[in-house]
Amino acid sequence: DGGITQSPKYLFRKEGQNVTLSCEQNLNHDAMYWYRQDPGQGLRLIYYSQIVNDFQKGDIAEGYSVSREKKESFPLTVTSAQKNPTAFYLCASTRLASGSTDTQYFGPGTRLTVL
Amino acid sequence: KNEVEQSPQNLTAQEGEFITINCSYSVGISALHWLQQHPGGGIVSLFMLSSGKKKHGRLIATINIQEKHSSLHITASHPRDSAVYICAVRYSGAGSYQLTFGKGTKLSVIP
Repeated sequence: DGGITQSPKYLFRKEGQNVTLSCEQNLNHDAMYWYRQDPGQGLRLIYYSQIVNDFQKGDIAEGYSVSREKKESFPLTVTSAQKNPTAFYLCASTRLASGSTDTQYFGPGTRLTVL
Repeated sequence: KNEVEQSPQNLTAQEGEFITINCSYSVGISALHWLQQHPGGGIVSLFMLSSGKKKHGRLIATINIQEKHSSLHITASHPRDSAVYICAVRYSGAGSYQLTFGKGTKLSVIP
């Protein structure tokens, strides 16, 4: 069964702590993306990666970091520098790096709450 | 900033009604996506289109490139169609790997 898995589904963190959200895909997709979703707003791109060992900042990268050491994995770290980290985080992938005519496949999401 | 506007924001319908959700965007695009987000949060891609019309079951998506407008129609709506429907576009141009998302339309179908 191919797809994208994200863990954990719910995550609680104390203010000032870094936390890493997992994203794994077994679709053999080249490109992977991290989005943030806040109530009443559209999804916003945090980071994306078109190829292993390379990634680019999206619209709201400040306070976040990523790595892409393996094709199937694209973890997102929410650092203590992120001013308002409580949100729903979605990981996605597309088959080709260009992605322009590709369907985006989404993971189930991780809901992060900072206490 | 290039924006994607959806209307209505919220929609309540009786089971069996025909539903239309609208999406408009500001500049040229290479593709438009319609996505469905269920209450649990997971998102499923319904359609990707760059011209014309696509149909899948009771769902129909159309796009008018000249008017920069797309519609998602649901025929014979059912309570299981209750979800947030999201329009997203990929703008034309070099390096345009990003999608720009609308805020979504929350649909509730009442039995």
